[in-house]
Amino acid sequence: DAKTTQPPSMDCAEGRAANLPCNHSTISGNEYVYWYRQIHSQGPQYIIHGLKNNETNEMASLIITEDRKSSTLILPHATLRDTAVYYCIVRENRGSTLGRLYFGRGTQLTVWP
Amino acid sequence: KAGVTQTPRYLIKTRGQQVTLSCSPISGHRSVSWYQQTPGQGLQFLFEYFSETQRNKGNFPGRFSGRQFSNSRSEMNVSTLELGDSALYLCASSLAVSAPPYEQYFGPGTRLTVT
Repeated sequence: DAKTTQPPSMDCAEGRAANLPCNHSTISGNEYVYWYRQIHSQGPQYIIHGLKNNETNEMASLIITEDRKSSTLILPHATLRDTAVYYCIVRENRGSTLGRLYFGRGTQLTVWP
Repeated sequence: KAGVTQTPRYLIKTRGQQVTLSCSPISGHRSVSWYQQTPGQGLQFLFEYFSETQRNKGNFPGRFSGRQFSNSRSEMNVSTLELGDSALYLCASSLAVSAPPYEQYFGPGTRLTVT
């Protein structure tokens, strides 16, 4: 079962920042937060991950609260091509095995012109 | 570096038949996972393979099986197809190191339609 809660949908104007929230109140201390997105009928695309500190890469920024119970994915300048379903995932920690990803329902982000 | 490839991309089968889907991971990646995606259930984990061994298995019936070869390529098989098996089947590969993080990279999927 997914261990995260996300709003089902959000809108954002092109060029503006898109801030996608995620609640993961039962996250364990050694579990990472991952974000993926899926453009219609394509395979999910890895975006970013984090453990405790805020992270930034060429695609997005990830802000994790100090208590780690929630996080926000930030797309700084959303474009029409960012329209997709965004999944926030807390990765099951199974030691040396890799475990599985629980995707949940994600947030449908629609970027409008 | 080439991404994860899946073949075939589209497939139409009849109830009762069986099907084999193929996945070639990113070069150097040793772990392969399979997921099923349907409008009703979303993305669901099927199984994960590493070093030719199944490491994890989701809650699917025994009609769903898989294997991994020594070159890390993987196949999944569905026997006695049912209408409800119509779905997008996604393969993901990762480096499979012993410590996190474990980014998974997905292929484009195989769209299976059962009639």
